[in-house]
Amino acid sequence: QLQLQESGPGLVKPSETLSLTCTVSGGSISSSSYYWGWIRQPPGKGLEWIGSIYYSGSTYYNPSLKSRVTISVDTSKNQFSLKLSSVTAADTAVYYCERLNDYHYGMDVWGQGTTVTVSS
Amino acid sequence: QSALTQPPSASGSPGQSVTISCTGTSSDVGGYNYVSWYQQHPGKAPKLMIYEVTKRPSGVPDRFSGSKSGNTASLTVSGLQAEDEADYYCTSYAGSNNFVVFGGGTKLTVL
Repeated sequence: QLQLQESGPGLVKPSETLSLTCTVSGGSISSSSYYWGWIRQPPGKGLEWIGSIYYSGSTYYNPSLKSRVTISVDTSKNQFSLKLSSVTAADTAVYYCERLNDYHYGMDVWGQGTTVTVSS
Repeated sequence: QSALTQPPSASGSPGQSVTISCTGTSSDVGGYNYVSWYQQHPGKAPKLMIYEVTKRPSGVPDRFSGSKSGNTASLTVSGLQAEDEADYYCTSYAGSNNFVVFGGGTKLTVL
């Protein structure tokens, strides 16, 4: 059974870069037909799609975050990563990694989420 | 502001049915049959409940159903149960530029 696990610092200073990694277990990140992506949820608010990556490296980003976001994949480690630069308090959120099925564009596997707080 | 519009709240009594709407445009909901619905309980990760407008993943009760008309998709929960109380979000594929867009979420209360 495929599982996703987020990891990374829980506290990031303003203006710095937020970095998170999602480790895929129970399956290969190189499987075709799936995108791997990141979703975030600020406290008390709704879900926001950040971006997605195919195992080949093709990426799609939320236009509102595109200038600050980089998503990459490491097939040798079965991991993919998120970097969000120049963070502010508005980037404080629970960050989820997920798998998106490209047959139907539904996100069918999710990590448990990790809380990232932006504060000095 | 979310790309897809959902009512902030909905409610119903146990055993009743409730429908949650998700309104987009011809560039997302109306242009593709790739609408999904997610259930999120407090402090938990979202769970896929409906994909491709009407299909249920294995294990999702058939009390949950989806539909679409024009630029508006809907999620209906029939025979409401206490455990259905949660936040529900819709998403749609939106083409290669925007890829995926979310609704703002609807809090479903079982009275």
